[in-house]
Amino acid sequence: AQRVTQPEKLLSVFKGAPVELKCNYSYSGSPELFWYVQYSRQRLQLLLRHISRESIKGFTADLNKGETSFHLKKPFAQEEDSAMYYCALLHGSSNTGKLIFGQGTTLQVKP
Amino acid sequence: EAGVVQSPRYKIIEKKQPVAFWCNPISGHNTLYWYLQNLGQGPELLIRYENEEAVDDSQLPKDRFSAERLKGVDSTLKIQPAELGDSAVYLCASSFGTSGRAGSNTGELFFGEGSRLTVL
Repeated sequence: AQRVTQPEKLLSVFKGAPVELKCNYSYSGSPELFWYVQYSRQRLQLLLRHISRESIKGFTADLNKGETSFHLKKPFAQEEDSAMYYCALLHGSSNTGKLIFGQGTTLQVKP
Repeated sequence: EAGVVQSPRYKIIEKKQPVAFWCNPISGHNTLYWYLQNLGQGPELLIRYENEEAVDDSQLPKDRFSAERLKGVDSTLKIQPAELGDSAVYLCASSFGTSGRAGSNTGELFFGEGSRLTVL
């Protein structure tokens, strides 16, 4: 069964420190993975997708099929990065467009 | 652009009462989703519409939950009767197109602010 696991409920770092939010998935096919973010008092929104291989707000994420991981990284955390981050897997076997979300990790960047 | 609009933002009811949530997606988005988000959890899909057709409602508890999208635009999610365990945030999202099609915004969902339900 498709599953997304984010092992950390809370990640707390100091400003300027590197950040890595962990995400592991379980999926038999070719996965499409995303990171969504929810800032305080804002709606859930797409941060980045692995297909694009893009860097958004300094964040990158590399798909590692061998480790079935899609960790989100940023070399120098900023206070405005504090938010809830969700890793999501697209159930793509039947063009459903169904996203399966992990439980989320709260990133707290301290000054 | 207003984005996905949901109402009400907050609702407090007593158990066994009915409740309804409304969602208006982004104009032109043919796919609409209702997600359930329990406290401390990620969103879980309840139902997905392609235009007016419910194409995935496998996670919708049909004994008490119902949804409709009659004209393929806005949608209503109803719970009757509500139970204590239904307390959660109900998220609506929309997207243009579906996955697997070249050129579609695969996996990019636009979410509303959610409707927070408290059942007493």
